[in-house]
Amino acid sequence: AIRMTQSPSSFSASTGDRVTITCRASQGIINYLAWYQQKPGKAPKLLIYAASTLQSGVPSRFSGSGSGTDFTLTISCLQSEDFVTYYCQQYHSYPPTFGGGTKVEIK
Amino acid sequence: EVQLVESGGGLVKPGGSLRLSCAASGFTFSSYSMNWVRQAPGKGLEWVSSISISSDYIYYADSVKGRFTISRDNAKNSLYLQMNSLRAEDTAVYYCARVEFGEWLLSAWGRGTLVTVSS
Repeated sequence: AIRMTQSPSSFSASTGDRVTITCRASQGIINYLAWYQQKPGKAPKLLIYAASTLQSGVPSRFSGSGSGTDFTLTISCLQSEDFVTYYCQQYHSYPPTFGGGTKVEIK
Repeated sequence: EVQLVESGGGLVKPGGSLRLSCAASGFTFSSYSMNWVRQAPGKGLEWVSSISISSDYIYYADSVKGRFTISRDNAKNSLYLQMNSLRAEDTAVYYCARVEFGEWLLSAWGRGTLVTVSS
């Protein structure tokens, strides 16, 4: 199975900060990479797919980049509702796998 | 509005069985592949199983293969997960999710149902 490694696992930031989360695949997945946001007690929500395509309705402060094995999720200006957990997922090959998650906390 | 509503979770003893259901509405269920994903308490997401539109293609995680069975009833707009030989490590919130592209890109999720395996 392809292993997805997210970093960092958690970090603190302030409202208005620009932050980046990294996701690395153990083998090439072209651009079959999605990012999900999960709020406490809620289901995950698809933010970005195909590494850089914003899902409909997602604010433009979210962006994704990368291809092959290295990917990033950037939030350009953190808002209060963004202090939650983010997961990457590869959907290139069976079995689909998720990263361990990155929790963004308020500094 | 797309809605996915899971049901059937609960407390079950190790070795027991449970059947989860997911009722879909707000979209043409028969046109989408579906998945189950689970999340153990305080842990990350783990993909469990997927089923294609006509049930032709079915996949399972190694951790549940031989114990869980995914199925769907397009006439009833429903997805199911039959879970047998349950173990403590199967304790999790189980989400059903709709596929957007391919088999495993998940664009809509239900709120989940909690399965607790404990004696």
